[in-house]
Amino acid sequence: DGGITQSPKYLFRKEGQNVTLSCEQNLNHDAMYWYRQDPGQGLRLIYYSQIVNDFQKGDIAEGYSVSREKKESFPLTVTSAQKNPTAFYLCASSMGWGSNQPQHFGDGTRLSIL
Amino acid sequence: SQELEQSPQSLIVQEGKNLTINCTSSKTLYGLYWYKQKYGEGLIFLMMLQKGGEEKSHEKITAKLDEKKQQSSLHITASQPSHAGIYLCGADRYNNNDMRFGAGTRLTVKP
Repeated sequence: DGGITQSPKYLFRKEGQNVTLSCEQNLNHDAMYWYRQDPGQGLRLIYYSQIVNDFQKGDIAEGYSVSREKKESFPLTVTSAQKNPTAFYLCASSMGWGSNQPQHFGDGTRLSIL
Repeated sequence: SQELEQSPQSLIVQEGKNLTINCTSSKTLYGLYWYKQKYGEGLIFLMMLQKGGEEKSHEKITAKLDEKKQQSSLHITASQPSHAGIYLCGADRYNNNDMRFGAGTRLTVKP
């Protein structure tokens, strides 16, 4: 079955440590996205990628980095510069950018600080 | 402030009752999406509305987009415990899949 796989489901970060969240899709979608969800708030866009080897900052990119070396993969690194990383992180993909196609989501990764 | 305002923030209904959730924007929407989320899980796509006055249904859930394309409502008929979760609206602001989301409405259905 096609879908989006995020791993791990739970992740703990120590002070000063970088951690990487994995996102893989087998939907053959061109566009991929990373969102952050905090309690009582909507999703906020961190980064998005329209095609391989290209990505753009979203509304809250500071303290995060991404890469898009393969169409299927869009990993997110939470760096030590992100001072408040505790949140639920969601990865999504869509068929295209500007095509009014709905975004499909993975099951999320919950990141906490040790 | 949220670009998309959802109301109510939370809702508790008795099983079998009907309910409505609203999503309002101050700007014209090019696309309005409804998602459902169970706690600690990802979002499940429900419906997409693009045209003013459009209405779509999926099982017992109906969503409408008003003529001016600035408000959408999600209506659940004869609610069931399986309908419980968080309903989020998302909007395509510039017709380019640049999505913004409301804060969500938490629905509890009491058996």
